[in-house]
Amino acid sequence: KNQVEQSPQSLIILEGKNCTLQCNYTVSPFSNLRWYKQDTGRGPVSLTIMTFSENTKSNGRYTATLDADTKQSSLHITASQLSDSASYICVVSWYSGGGADGLTFGKGTHLIIQP
Amino acid sequence: DGGITQSPKYLFRKEGQNVTLSCEQNLNHDAMYWYRQDPGQGLRLIYYSQIVNDFQKGDIAEGYSVSREKKESFPLTVTSAQKNPTAFYLCASSSTGAREQYFGPGTRLTVT
Repeated sequence: KNQVEQSPQSLIILEGKNCTLQCNYTVSPFSNLRWYKQDTGRGPVSLTIMTFSENTKSNGRYTATLDADTKQSSLHITASQLSDSASYICVVSWYSGGGADGLTFGKGTHLIIQP
Repeated sequence: DGGITQSPKYLFRKEGQNVTLSCEQNLNHDAMYWYRQDPGQGLRLIYYSQIVNDFQKGDIAEGYSVSREKKESFPLTVTSAQKNPTAFYLCASSSTGAREQYFGPGTRLTVT
């Protein structure tokens, strides 16, 4: 069964500090892995998308890594800001054999940045 | 939120009533999707459509219905058969073969 597990479930850090969120998956056949940021009561917004051959991808202060061998990904946030407070969702895409890839969503990590 | 709009943002209904959630996109995307989000759970796919006049059931389609008469629109009807309809509903779209989905702002439905 395709699964995506995220940790921690929630995290509180002080403004200016760095943090790393984890995503482990058991999805096959793997197509790509995405990280989304979802503000409370809003739709998710894409941060990064990585395919099998990509190990690292950055988007400003956000850096995602992917280890396809161990099926792990991380999202590192540098110099956190209050606006980083949100849920971060890991989504793994897999080849479904049809016209559209299948998607498996993690439950998200709820990040709170305190001043 | 890109070029996807969902309305209304908040919706309240009495149990036993059908309700239709609107989703419109101006991104010229072929594919559109409906997801449901509950606290502490990942997004779950309700229905998706890859082309006009065609749609497929997702993982939790029971109690829901959709139509795709226009490329830009993909309304979702929550019927009285849905046992637990209170949730946050998200619509998304993507172009054919694209890896990324763009999400709308969501509709929070409360049924009492």
